[in-house]
Amino acid sequence: EAGVAQSPRYKIIEKRQSVAFWCNPISGHATLYWYQQILGQGPKLLIQFQNNGVVDDSQLPKDRFSAERLKGVDSTLKIQPAKLEDSAVYLCASSSRSGTAAYEQYFGPGTRLTVT
Amino acid sequence: ELKVEQNPLFLSMQEGKNYTIYCNYSTTSDRLYWYRQDPGKSLESLFVLLSNGAVKQEGRLMASLDTKARLSTLHITAAVHDLSATYFCAVDSSNDMRFGAGTRLTVKP
Repeated sequence: EAGVAQSPRYKIIEKRQSVAFWCNPISGHATLYWYQQILGQGPKLLIQFQNNGVVDDSQLPKDRFSAERLKGVDSTLKIQPAKLEDSAVYLCASSSRSGTAAYEQYFGPGTRLTVT
Repeated sequence: ELKVEQNPLFLSMQEGKNYTIYCNYSTTSDRLYWYRQDPGKSLESLFVLLSNGAVKQEGRLMASLDTKARLSTLHITAAVHDLSATYFCAVDSSNDMRFGAGTRLTVKP
């Protein structure tokens, strides 16, 4: 079974530029999560999708961050314009609500963003 | 607002010893998770605990959940060097998912 795929793995941009990250979850997983992990901290949930609907985006800075999950499969997270404090690893995870591994979240390798 | 506190934040252990990491949270939970993260790597799921009294074990790690006390523990038995990593607990409360700050575990020979 293929894991969660993310791209790019690394990205360096200047402040005020825009950037987009892509995530392809495990096949059949209806729930998809985007997290931000700043160095030395625990991950922070940005947005959670159930199929193509948003379940929770209470911690998403909506003035600059946006995310979509068209067709309920892969997802993109965008930042526009980027700030220095957005430097972090962006993690995508997916889960299923059924089966023996119900609710277990599988994480992708992450995208390391550096804003200069 | 849901708050998740882990302690200790740093733990240095000798091989062969036992220790427990604690995870306290502030509101009712639907699920509690434990993850492992190696330096520069992504997160690896260890346990998902769904109900009060749940206990799960994998190798030298055992996790338990007491929803009445809003407490989960991760117990390490006879630690080995390979267990050195950062361990996170996370709580899902009505789809509000919050992580603890992590416990950085170092196991020394």
